Amino acid sequence: EPEVTQTPSHQVTQMGQEVILRCVPISNHLYFYWYRQILGQKVEFLVSFYNNEISEKSEIFDDQFSVERPDGSNFTLKIRSTKLEDSAMYFCATGLAETQYFGPGTRLLVL
Amino acid sequence: DAKTTQPPSMDCAEGRAANLPCNHSTISGNEYVYWYRQIHSQGPQYIIHGLKNNETNEMASLIITEDRKSSTLILPHATLRDTAVYYCIARTSYGKLTFGQGTILTVHP
Repeated sequence: EPEVTQTPSHQVTQMGQEVILRCVPISNHLYFYWYRQILGQKVEFLVSFYNNEISEKSEIFDDQFSVERPDGSNFTLKIRSTKLEDSAMYFCATGLAETQYFGPGTRLLVL
Repeated sequence: DAKTTQPPSMDCAEGRAANLPCNHSTISGNEYVYWYRQIHSQGPQYIIHGLKNNETNEMASLIITEDRKSSTLILPHATLRDTAVYYCIARTSYGKLTFGQGTILTVHP
């Protein structure tokens, strides 16, 4: 069964550094999403992406965040200058029609 | 997106059916009811979704009331591996998923 994959599984970075989280969607999926979950809290929506542009974003998704599909396959989330409060699990989700399928997540720790 | 209300926790004996309720009294006509679950800190796992009719797949059944104000997720024969947080979410097609606190289901031997 096809799965969404994410790399890296864990990332430790220093505050102020840039990080790029990568997601390989299920083949032929057209809708892409990023969510995050701070330890002990709810899963929160960050951004949705369709047809090579952002279709919706949350208040969390400020100018420090960006998304793209650089090679038409991978879907990336970039955090330009990480803050301590960016420490969280980041989940990619992809979908073709009505259903979103989640990847296993990247655990980001900002020191 | 319509708000959903779920009990914070439920218990179920292994092998028995687990019936997880969800209220969504303000759901609009174009919103589906989705169920996901999350085991530990893994990525949320899709279970089932429906609009008006009851649905069944290999994992679960979804019963939606006629007025669509509430629904029940049924795991017919719960196992220990079904212990997880279960989320009921009302969502339009292709829209974002808005997660609440969900129901912590504990399946015990």
